[in-house]
Amino acid sequence: GQNIDQPTEMTATEGAIVQINCTYQTSGFNGLFWYQQHAGEAPTFLSYNVLDGLEEKGRFSSFLSRSKGYSYLLLKELQMKDSASYLCVTEDSNYQLIWGAGTKLIIKP
Amino acid sequence: NAGVTQTPKFRILKIGQSMTLQCTQDMNHNYMYWYRQDPGMGLKLIYYSVGAGITDKGEVPNGYNVSRSTTEDFPLRLELAAPSQTSVYFCASSYHPRRRTHSRDNEQFFGPGTRLTVL
Repeated sequence: GQNIDQPTEMTATEGAIVQINCTYQTSGFNGLFWYQQHAGEAPTFLSYNVLDGLEEKGRFSSFLSRSKGYSYLLLKELQMKDSASYLCVTEDSNYQLIWGAGTKLIIKP
Repeated sequence: NAGVTQTPKFRILKIGQSMTLQCTQDMNHNYMYWYRQDPGMGLKLIYYSVGAGITDKGEVPNGYNVSRSTTEDFPLRLELAAPSQTSVYFCASSYHPRRRTHSRDNEQFFGPGTRLTVL
């Protein structure tokens, strides 16, 4: 079967660092995405990992361990505009995407 | 480029009515998708298309129909609307997966969404 687990909600302080974890089970793995979704808006692409390791892109980094079925999104120097839901998404061998329910990140001043 | 456009943005339907959600993209993407997103949930794939004239069912196709007569347009048809179809609908497009040469090529581009209520 296919399943994605990520925390429902997290709270962090402006200027701090937060790590959002995601574990997955998928039949035929072809990559993992992270998308950001602000309330009432469409998802926007943040990152894509297909090989093990860390991909860094500015304040955001994404890590993947295929053997453990595990990924995390790391957000540094948090800003109020980072308050959003973060969706962990896997792609199977047929290029079909499986979307997690998302982690709602609340940033406090 | 306008990207992916969807109309309407909001709609209220009565049970049993029908409607078409329009989706257009101007990026010459082969792949197009329709998703629905219920409150607090991830996106569920309704239908997708890998090119003009080709469509296929996703995870939750019942109660919906699609067509893909051109590369640009991918309308979603609701027949006999039911309260269970109350949701936010997103259309998206992307490159063919085998065309990916950069990480960014994996991106799905989304329209702004249609908020549909069936009463």
